[in-house]
Amino acid sequence: AQKVTQAQTEISVVEKEDVTLDCVYETRDTTYYLFWYKQPPSGELVFLIRRNSFDEQNEISGRYSWNFQKSTSSFNFTITASQVVDSAVYFCALSEWGDSSYKLIFGSGTRLLVRP
Amino acid sequence: DGGITQSPKYLFRKEGQNVTLSCEQNLNHDAMYWYRQDPGQGLRLIYYSQIVNDFQKGDIAEGYSVSREKKESFPLTVTSAQKNPTAFYLCASILGTGASFGGYTFGSGTRLTVV
Repeated sequence: AQKVTQAQTEISVVEKEDVTLDCVYETRDTTYYLFWYKQPPSGELVFLIRRNSFDEQNEISGRYSWNFQKSTSSFNFTITASQVVDSAVYFCALSEWGDSSYKLIFGSGTRLLVRP
Repeated sequence: DGGITQSPKYLFRKEGQNVTLSCEQNLNHDAMYWYRQDPGQGLRLIYYSQIVNDFQKGDIAEGYSVSREKKESFPLTVTSAQKNPTAFYLCASILGTGASFGGYTFGSGTRLTVV
């Protein structure tokens, strides 16, 4: 069965520290997609990245970077030089095709608190 | 601009009442989804619809009903059979499948509280 595990429930860092949010997934499919979303206190889900299972290249976008390793079924997210505005809940999610549709399966989220 | 509109943003329901949450998209997306989020937890799938007049149960469909009469609209009804409806509800849609899969678009959510 598909599953996404975010073992870190809450992380607290001081501004300008680097922080890594872990994500481990389980799937039997060879074709799947992985996502990271940010959820600020307003509740909206902000899309950060989508990665398909055939693309293991790491990605960097400004202060954000993602490390996708199929060998360990992990898709970790690193924020460099964290800022107070990065405080939010971050969700990792897995999507694969089944029952005539894509379904998005979420991890339980990691709450990040960046202190000034 | 295209997107998903959920209304209302906040909804209060008395016990025993049915309430309907609205989800409208102007993205011409095919599939639509409803998710529920409880405090401190991830999102769980309630119902989804791949095409008009067709929908399937997700992981926690009991106590909920949906309809898909138009491609743009996917309303969710929280019935009195739902024992613990207080939660944050998010609607999503996607365009395409396979190589054309473009990822998910989410609405801004409806926060439902039973009073």
